[in-house]
Amino acid sequence: GQQVQQSPTSLVLQEGENAELQCNFSTSLNSMQWFYQRPGGSLISVFYNPSGTKQSGRLTSTTVIKERRSSLHISSSQITDSGTYLCAIGNSGTYQRFGTGTKLQVVP
Amino acid sequence: DPKIIQKPKYLVAVTGSEKILICEQYLGHNAMYWYRQSAKKPLEFMFSYSYQKLMDNQTASSRFQPQSSKKNHLDLQITALKPDDSATYFCASSQEKGNTGQLYFGEGSKLTVL
Repeated sequence: GQQVQQSPTSLVLQEGENAELQCNFSTSLNSMQWFYQRPGGSLISVFYNPSGTKQSGRLTSTTVIKERRSSLHISSSQITDSGTYLCAIGNSGTYQRFGTGTKLQVVP
Repeated sequence: DPKIIQKPKYLVAVTGSEKILICEQYLGHNAMYWYRQSAKKPLEFMFSYSYQKLMDNQTASSRFQPQSSKKNHLDLQITALKPDDSATYFCASSQEKGNTGQLYFGEGSKLTVL
């Protein structure tokens, strides 16, 4: 079955609201990364976070390896945050498994 | 400026033909990868190369052949094309182990097979 599951599948926020994106995985790993993708666009790394909590501006990622989950928190969302957020897991820097993504739409 | 260059950006092919997707990275990385993204599937890992050597192959079909002529090149040859091969193919790179493991992607090559 699917080894990486993301929730929710899609999300609509009003500008300024917060979002919590979840990633659950069923295999062990030592590499975990969050990516952002615009429709038809490339993937841009948002966080490399195999364990613990990391923050960058309005974004915070928390990965709990023992519980096989990671979250991405977006605070004070902006229209430019709209797009798809993908989580990926793997070992030693090779990311073999991607989730199907959370499609985020931020509206005025 | 894009640091990972993929060519062509778009291509259309007929069933049974052959195409080569080009990838060059200028990040000084020694590990390169190919991924595929189609409409109804998650991004799929295909190949990984390290120092121009194949490290991992998750592609069942031998119709997909990566080719590394230089350290910063990893092309993908696809033969006997099928409509199911229609997808966007992404090249990626990273520094070798012992670092952040951060992965960088190219802009992708969107292949349509008729």
